[in-house]
Amino acid sequence: DQQVKQNSPSLSVQEGRISILNCDYTNSMFDYFLWYKKYPAEGPTFLISISSIKDKNEDGRFTVFLNKSAKHLSLHIVPSQPGDSAVYFCGGRSGGSNYKLTFGKGTLLTVNP
Amino acid sequence: GAGVSQSPSNKVTEKGKDVELRCDPISGHTALYWYRQRLGQGLEFLIYFQGNSAPDKSGLPSDRFSAERTGESVSTLTIQRTQQEDSAVYLCASSFVSGVNTGELFFGEGSRLTVL
Repeated sequence: DQQVKQNSPSLSVQEGRISILNCDYTNSMFDYFLWYKKYPAEGPTFLISISSIKDKNEDGRFTVFLNKSAKHLSLHIVPSQPGDSAVYFCGGRSGGSNYKLTFGKGTLLTVNP
Repeated sequence: GAGVSQSPSNKVTEKGKDVELRCDPISGHTALYWYRQRLGQGLEFLIYFQGNSAPDKSGLPSDRFSAERTGESVSTLTIQRTQQEDSAVYLCASSFVSGVNTGELFFGEGSRLTVL
């Protein structure tokens, strides 16, 4: 049962353009959604999160949009930079007292100079 | 160090042997997680410790897997009678309780396990 789905295994974007990474989920009990970035041979690093009661959260070049009715969220990176090239994981946190974070399979973003 | 530390960074073992993986969380972090990433897969939740509460073991794939944590310090993930499908990068993460509220976990660099 894959509760978090990232259907695009990879995405290639030109430097300066917008990168849009998509994520779908099935668990209605998620109360927080988050994005992590992972470089090869390193652990994932937190990027941005959004509460389930919000529909948008922005932090510099990164914006996350949440559409609860569609059970869909997306991460926008603008402008994209070559240093953004990494695997991006979308995740959802179970609500209540269970803080288990469930992640998707990740999307490899390549930003070409 | 300031970050989450994991050891060993790489471990090659023979099928059937037991392995222990260690995680030193960031000092003061009450929550500790173990995840694994098998080749081509996402981050798979294994187990979660929060303070003195009973751990959430719902992600452990079989009874060959176990984990311990003493207080709010070091955790050890043990895999008994390893199988080839156990080959993966095992990632440990920790957070403050407030970090849990926003989902911000701090990950270590992982322990790469290869079972021959």
